[in-house]
This record gives sequence, C-alpha cells and structure tokens, in this order.
Amino acid sequence: ETGVTQTPRHLVMGMTNKKSLKCEQHLGHNAMYWYKQSAKKPLELMFVYNFKEQTENNSVPSRFSPECPNSSHLFLHLHTLQPEDSALYLCASSQDYPSQETQYFGPGTRLLVL
Amino acid sequence: SQQGEEDPQALSIQEGENATMNCSYKTSINNLQWYRQNSGRGLVHLILIRSNEREKHSGRLRVTLDTSKKSSSLLITASRAADTASYFCATDGNQGGKLIFGQGTELSVKP
Repeated sequence: ETGVTQTPRHLVMGMTNKKSLKCEQHLGHNAMYWYKQSAKKPLELMFVYNFKEQTENNSVPSRFSPECPNSSHLFLHLHTLQPEDSALYLCASSQDYPSQETQYFGPGTRLLVL
Repeated sequence: SQQGEEDPQALSIQEGENATMNCSYKTSINNLQWYRQNSGRGLVHLILIRSNEREKHSGRLRVTLDTSKKSSSLLITASRAADTASYFCATDGNQGGKLIFGQGTELSVKP
C-alpha cells in the first residue's frame, strides 16, 4: 500500500458515456498528478495540482476534465472519449510541486473505451 | 526529447542470477529515481540517487550514477521470481519539477 487509492480499478465505457475516476491520498501531500500509461509508451503526465490549483496541463484534450476539491482528492472526469484513450490511468502524489522527490502512485484505473 | 531511456527493453534471467538495467538521459539532473511496476499496477518507488552521489544501496538493490556519461544502472542481486516486473528510471532534468519516465525494462525472473 502506497497511501494512494484509486477507484474504480477497471472501467469499460462507450464513446458517448460520462464517467469519473477518483483518487485519494492519505499522505498529507500537497501535490497530485494524473498520468496516462499506454502500451509500449512511457508514462505521460496529464495534469498536476498543487494546493488544489492546477499548475500543469500537458496539452490534454478537453474530453478529460480534472477536478481537485482539496489536497487529498483528485478526480478525472471523462466524456466522449475515443478508443485510443484506452489505457491505464495512474494517480500520484508528492509532498510539494515543483519537486524532484519521490512520487507515490495509486494502483491505477484500467480504462477500455469501446 | 525523451529524458530517460532504459536498456535493455526486456530481460529474462533465472532465479538467483543478478539483473542489470541501464538508463541514459540527455540533460542535467538533480536526481534520478528508479521505480518498479508489477503488471497492470501502479509504480512503486525503489530508490533515489542525487546528482552528487555515485552509488547507493537498498537491500538487494544497487544503483550507480555517472553524470559524466548521463547514465545510471540498477543492479538486483540474487533475483527472485517476485522481482518480475517492469523497472523505470525517472529524471527531473530541466522540466520544472516534472518527472520524466523512460519506457522501462521488463524483467522476467524464472523459478
């Protein structure tokens, strides 16, 4: 257990559906991250939040909408996704941002878009 | 450009053997980290080595860093079947605090 939980662990959705991924960290960290991991590709940083404020958006399509109501919770709202969005979505946290220190990852949500 | 690149992409060894994975990067760094990922799971931090350190140990793990060659290696001694996983290096580089991950090395340890 890393102190970062994610739900659901698996999600299958159609291209017209709306769903949300949830992440919660119990480490007292101030920064939280969303990453996308596709097969045979390096982890791609999507969003960074620091003290609930979005500090990074790596040119992510608007069909992905993050929300950070407090430093412990992070959501990724999904709507009208494409099949190529199928991937493992990982949440992580760190003490602060910017930070070169350790990031703690959740177990991920395996997303399949049909 | 991709910061961390691991070599080899895949490695298969017998239990009890040592496994060595390498990571090369392109820009100056403050530190370099190694993470492990079991299939379909999240990443787990293994070890962090700072730019002014040359070698670091943690249990059966040994990490070296050569900043002149912009490379690092991860050695797992006396490997076990439970070490089967993907291993990633991550660097901060000149990315304003972002960690940049390589594509990873898939290690398979056969009993």
